[in-house]
Amino acid sequence: KAGVTQTPRYLIKTRGQQVTLSCSPISGHRSVSWYQQTPGQGLQFLFEYFSETQRNKGNFPGRFSGRQFSNSRSEMNVSTLELGDSALYLCASSSTNWDNEQFFGPGTRLTVL
Amino acid sequence: GQQVMQIPQYQHVQEGEDFTTYCNSSTTLSNIQWYKQRPGGHPVFLIQLVKSGEVKKQKRLTFQFGEAKKNSSLHITATQTTDVGTYFCAGPGAGGGNKLTFGTGTQLKVEL
Repeated sequence: KAGVTQTPRYLIKTRGQQVTLSCSPISGHRSVSWYQQTPGQGLQFLFEYFSETQRNKGNFPGRFSGRQFSNSRSEMNVSTLELGDSALYLCASSSTNWDNEQFFGPGTRLTVL
Repeated sequence: GQQVMQIPQYQHVQEGEDFTTYCNSSTTLSNIQWYKQRPGGHPVFLIQLVKSGEVKKQKRLTFQFGEAKKNSSLHITATQTTDVGTYFCAGPGAGGGNKLTFGTGTQLKVEL
């Protein structure tokens, strides 16, 4: 089986712009979660989608949003980018809907200038 | 809110030495997972512990879940250069589903 894929792998944006990141889970996985990883804050949960519904959301401002499509692919969007949004954004998929191991993608490295 | 701390933050060892990282949660956990992230890579699942006092082994790695289900440890025997990376513990986050609250991580460096 192919692993979790994320596009793009690298992205450079300027403050105020918006960005959309994409994640394709492992085939058959219906749960997709997003995490932000920074040196200062570590790995922080953004949100989880299961069967196109957002099930859980982390403590991030409303500028961070996401969605999931019927084929389980997911996108996350960040509007009005700030310098502090520079991070590695990781997507993870899971085969079940609860407390299961997460398969992470390679991440999207976002740099905000 | 829920906090998961790990110590030490960094550990340098000589190849062949043992290594241990400790994970402590502010709340009782139904289970705990461990992940490894190589430099420049992404987290990779290692194991999940569910039972109080559970001990599991994977070759040179030994994982333990505390009796009170609030702490866990990962011990590596006779480290190798392939063990380099950051080790994270993670517990179920508030709200359920597959949300994980990750520990602060322990970065392991192995010197020849």
